[in-house]
Parts: sequence; C-alpha cells; structure tokens
Amino acid sequence: SQQGEEDPQALSIQEGENATMNCSYKTSINNLQWYRQNSGRGLVHLILIRSNEREKHSGRLRVTLDTSKKSSSLLITASRAADTASYFCATDAQRGAQKLVFGQGTRLTINP
Amino acid sequence: NAGVTQTPKFQVLKTGQSMTLQCAQDMNHNSMYWYRQDPGMGLRLIYYSASEGTTDKGEVPNGYNVSRLNKREFSLRLESAAPSQTSVYFCASSGRDRSYGYTFGSGTRLTVV
Repeated sequence: SQQGEEDPQALSIQEGENATMNCSYKTSINNLQWYRQNSGRGLVHLILIRSNEREKHSGRLRVTLDTSKKSSSLLITASRAADTASYFCATDAQRGAQKLVFGQGTRLTINP
Repeated sequence: NAGVTQTPKFQVLKTGQSMTLQCAQDMNHNSMYWYRQDPGMGLRLIYYSASEGTTDKGEVPNGYNVSRLNKREFSLRLESAAPSQTSVYFCASSGRDRSYGYTFGSGTRLTVV
C-alpha cells in the first residue's frame, strides 16, 4: 500500500514561477524525503526532513513538514526548464533498516 | 563514477522464461533494495537486504527471488516471467547515515510478452 499520496498528480507552470507539491502520509515517520526523476532515469535524492523539523532549505528547494497533519510540501522557487521532472515523496517509518515507501509522484512541467 | 550499476538496461522475455537482474554498488553501503515502477503507481518495494547475509520481503515479492551475493551485489531473479512483471526495475542502496537517502541505479526496463 502507498504511504504517501501526492497532490497534484501533474503541474504545469511558466519558467520563473514557483512550484508547490504536496504529500500526505498515514503513519508516524522518522523522516520524509523528496526525490526527482527525469524521464527514463533513476531517482535522485533531493532533500530529507526529520520528524522533529518543520522546515528545511536547500538552494531553491524549501520543504515543510507538519506531523500533526501528516503532510509535507516541496516548494521549488524560480523554476527553470531543467526542473521538468517527476517528484516523489518517500517516508521512512522503520526503526531498523531504512525502508522507504514512495508516493505516486507529481509530474512537473516547466514551460519556457 | 561512484554509484549503483544495473544490468541489463533493457530486456524482452517470453512468458515462462527466467532471468536475473544484476545490481552492484561501490559506495560501501550496507543496505540494498529492489523496486518496481509501474505507471501511476510510484515505486513498490519487492525485496531488500538490510545488510550482507540478510534479505527480506517487501510489498510485492511474489514471483521474485533475490540473492545478496556480497556487500556490493544484490541480484533479482524472475524464475518464470509473467506479463504482469512488465515494469521498470530499480535497484538502490543506502548507508548508515539516513541523511543521504537512497542512491538509485538507472533502471532495467523489462517487457514480458
């Protein structure tokens, strides 16, 4: 079963605009991670936010986490054509081995 | 370049044939994983290996077997391929520091006809 559900499923914006993607999950977590997947490629780790953190930044990425609502958001500021990709959230809820459960992803298209 | 290497990149099988997907990592990671990705369904965990010598079932293990050959290598075997196993398969690895998440291979696109 999918732990994370992402919203929207697809998002199309103009270059330079900000893009926001949301992720909801069902159980308590250790951390939540965001990955990017370019068409036909493997996933690339973008950022991790721990359960005791509320916000984290990395370059043009901003991630928030609300554990009371079991939700997270990924904001990409000043989008570029190269940001066109699918974005997945993944939750880490295990004590032992890291075993991620992925959402279905948001397909982001940046129009020039 | 350091990372996760998967072979082959593409494969077409006939129903009932068997094959092994290979995965190797050179980052000295303890844990390795096999996921499948189907349209609209994200990634689903097939099997994982928390450390050398151990393997465990994930969400969708039926029809698959795995072998953790050594710390570097983790293979996925389809004993009798079925059309429902048509998918893109990803191998990933992770180290003790969860901060870095997973490192993924580039995937194997498998078609079973």
